[in-house]
Amino acid sequence: DVKVTQSSRYLVKRTGEKVFLECVQDMDHENMFWYRQDPGLGLRLIYFSYDVKMKEKGDIPEGYSVSREKKERFSLILESASTNQTSMYLCASSTTGNSPLHFGNGTRLTVT
Amino acid sequence: QKEVEQDPGPLSVPEGAIVSLNCTYSNSAFQYFMWYRQYSRKGPELLMYTYSSGNKEDGRFTAQVDKSSKYISLFIRDSQPSDSATYLCAMTSYNQGGKLIFGQGTELSVKP
Repeated sequence: DVKVTQSSRYLVKRTGEKVFLECVQDMDHENMFWYRQDPGLGLRLIYFSYDVKMKEKGDIPEGYSVSREKKERFSLILESASTNQTSMYLCASSTTGNSPLHFGNGTRLTVT
Repeated sequence: QKEVEQDPGPLSVPEGAIVSLNCTYSNSAFQYFMWYRQYSRKGPELLMYTYSSGNKEDGRFTAQVDKSSKYISLFIRDSQPSDSATYLCAMTSYNQGGKLIFGQGTELSVKP
């Protein structure tokens, strides 16, 4: 089974802090994704990556950046956390083509 | 108008009922259709994956795609309290580059 592991289940950070969310997958998947999930808004794509050192903006990239230095690891960075970035963050991976995504269990981030 | 519409519910049914969950979509290019189940404080897990029109059955779950009506359904037979979760539909086409378009999710509660 594919395993997507997110380093933290819960995080509490202060406004203005730089925040790193880490994600690792163990199935040699090419594609990796970062979503945020909010009540009433569903899943929204922040960034995705098709390969090492490649990144593409999703629907809501503002205030975020990403890093993919190794194929199995995809990091989401909040440069200066704000309260409106309080959310559930979900990482996912997939093989090439139109294969389904496999999700991690999420990181619930609270920015105070 | 959203590309994928899904009634958020909540939907409450008695144990043993047949549950019908539905999504409509507007993009006729969508060819790959998925249903995910998400338990509280967990990431979405893939339930069903279908290509083009038709039915697919897996145990108590049946996924149905009607491309002519741009309508997909998930049926759950003999529903159990353990089926209580949020169900998300997702879909994509060959030219989406692996990105999925999600519905908002339907919250289901199965009462003993």
